[in-house]
Amino acid sequence: AQRVTQPEKLLSVFKGAPVELKCNYSYSGSPELFWYVQYSRQRLQLLLRHISRESIKGFTADLNKGETSFHLKKPFAQEEDSAMYYCALSGHGGSQGNLIFGKGTKLSVKP
Amino acid sequence: NAGVMQNPRHLVRRRGQEARLRCSPMKGHSHVYWYRQLPEEGLKFMVYLQKENIIDESGMPKERFSAEFPKEGPSILRIQQVVRGDSAAYFCASTSGTANTGELFFGEGSRLTVL
Repeated sequence: AQRVTQPEKLLSVFKGAPVELKCNYSYSGSPELFWYVQYSRQRLQLLLRHISRESIKGFTADLNKGETSFHLKKPFAQEEDSAMYYCALSGHGGSQGNLIFGKGTKLSVKP
Repeated sequence: NAGVMQNPRHLVRRRGQEARLRCSPMKGHSHVYWYRQLPEEGLKFMVYLQKENIIDESGMPKERFSAEFPKEGPSILRIQQVVRGDSAAYFCASTSGTANTGELFFGEGSRLTVL
């Protein structure tokens, strides 16, 4: 079964500390993985996707097929990074927008 | 561009009533997706529609739920004879259809409470 697991419900770090939000997936084919973010009082929005291999707002995520992981990392967390983060997998069915989401991790960056 | 617009933002219904949730996609977008988020859960895909067509309804419950996206007007998610378990946040997302896979533009959601 296709599944996305985010083991941490809440992650709290101090400003300037490194942060890693964990994401593991279960998928039988070649996965397409994404990180979505929801800042307070804002809409859910795409942060980054593994295909692009880009760094957005200092965040990076590397797809590790051996460990079936797609952890989100940032070397120095900022207070404005506090938000809800969702890892998502593009599933079967032919629908580009048929994403499988994890339950999310709430990141709290303290001053 | 106002983005994806959903209304109502909050809806309260008693058991057995009907709930109608509306979604207007971003300007220029013709593909609409509905997701449901139960408390403490991630978003779950429900249905994917293009104008006048249901493309993928693999996530829709078999009974009481229906969706449409008419030629004119917003997409509507309809829940008949609501039960307490339908209480959730319902999110709509849209794409142009030519965007890269996975880039969905979300609305702010409609929160349904069933008493």
